[in-house]
Amino acid sequence: GQQVMQIPQYQHVQEGEDFTTYCNSSTTLSNIQWYKQRPGGHPVFLIQLVKSGEVKKQKRLTFQFGEAKKNSSLHITATQTTDVGTYFCAGLTGGGNKLTFGTGTQLKVEL
Amino acid sequence: DAGVIQSPRHEVTEMGQEVTLRCKPISGHNSLFWYRQTMMRGLELLIYFNNNVPIDDSGMPEDRFSAKMPNASFSTLKIQPSEPRDSAVYFCASRPKGGVAEAFFGQGTRLTVV
Repeated sequence: GQQVMQIPQYQHVQEGEDFTTYCNSSTTLSNIQWYKQRPGGHPVFLIQLVKSGEVKKQKRLTFQFGEAKKNSSLHITATQTTDVGTYFCAGLTGGGNKLTFGTGTQLKVEL
Repeated sequence: DAGVIQSPRHEVTEMGQEVTLRCKPISGHNSLFWYRQTMMRGLELLIYFNNNVPIDDSGMPEDRFSAKMPNASFSTLKIQPSEPRDSAVYFCASRPKGGVAEAFFGQGTRLTVV
């Protein structure tokens, strides 16, 4: 079945440093979504990418969808303690209905 | 809207007992997902429904797990008999049709089987 892998699994950074997580799918995706889960919380939607090669920005966060629509990345510039959490990519297949989550990257930010 | 509502929030049960988790999706959403989250396996998709019909249950671990969606406003995930390895946080999520169609998650049910 479809697999969505993310690297790294964990990342510790000092506040102010940049952070990047990479997402790779075993199959071509219709769209890709990104979610953030705070410790003890539930996943919360951040953004959706649809087009091949698409790049979107939300303040310090930059999201990119690969040309082949099989990979994606999330880059955070100048991390803050509020960025702590686990970041998941989620691939949409099955005509855009089946939402499969990646393995996640847990980010810790130290002062 | 109160969002996706799951109950109970916490469940502790003995091995061999039946467990039923409940979910009320957001009104008007036509897709519903059940996920299981553990440290070892991450966020696994168990089953999803479109318009109350199960579309893909390939993630359901084994016959001990079953899910139903009798109407657009209610779904259940049942485990019978439960085993310690079923201990996890179970999330329900719903999505509207069309548009960006983000998934909205409930608060989750933390299940502990002892």
